[in-house]
Amino acid sequence: QVQLVQSGAEVKKPGSSVKVSCKAPGDTFSNYAISWVRQAPGEGLEWMGGIIPILNTPRYAQKFQGRVSITADESTRTAYMELRSLGSEDTAVYYCARGRDISSWFVKDWGQGTLVTVSS
Amino acid sequence: DIQMTQSPSSLSASVGDRVTITCRASQAISNYVAWFQQKPGKAPKSLIYAASSLESGVPSKFSGSGSGTDFTLTISSLQPEDFATYYCQQYNSYPFTFGPGTKVDIK
Repeated sequence: QVQLVQSGAEVKKPGSSVKVSCKAPGDTFSNYAISWVRQAPGEGLEWMGGIIPILNTPRYAQKFQGRVSITADESTRTAYMELRSLGSEDTAVYYCARGRDISSWFVKDWGQGTLVTVSS
Repeated sequence: DIQMTQSPSSLSASVGDRVTITCRASQAISNYVAWFQQKPGKAPKSLIYAASSLESGVPSKFSGSGSGTDFTLTISSLQPEDFATYYCQQYNSYPFTFGPGTKVDIK
């Protein structure tokens, strides 16, 4: 099991932005898809988008298009998810998750989750 | 977007029961389905990928089947540690949508 380590909890004001990081160990970062999934309190899982670092072509769910940016830094083996124009409905736990094989989107490993609270 | 539905939304079962959860896609998705288990306050855990392949380290009491639009996750003999919420997810096309989840609790 690969341990993905995410950044800590955040409290943000409505209208602001948040950037969550996800660090992967080892030397296999570049070829493995990283997905971002969120879960609002008491709700189900929602795929936001993802990236295969070596291809550097992020994919986004239409719902978040224009408001989310997913990037990857191969030198530090870290993926990032930035969400802008936050509203209370963005209060959720945000997970990163890594694909199981080279260029496979099937998730195998998950980060511990990052709680983002949007409150005035 | 491909819609994923799950049935039932919740079920109550006893230790030792055989449990089957169904996931249906709004269009054919070949075998591009995965299943996850999530316990309260924890990150999801990957169980099954490509509809029927067991993730490494996952006990063989879990099995998956299906192709096209209809998929099932079966737990052959429910144990106390299996009480959780189970989600399916499709990987056929973006966005990779999840089902709404099935909560399995103790009868």
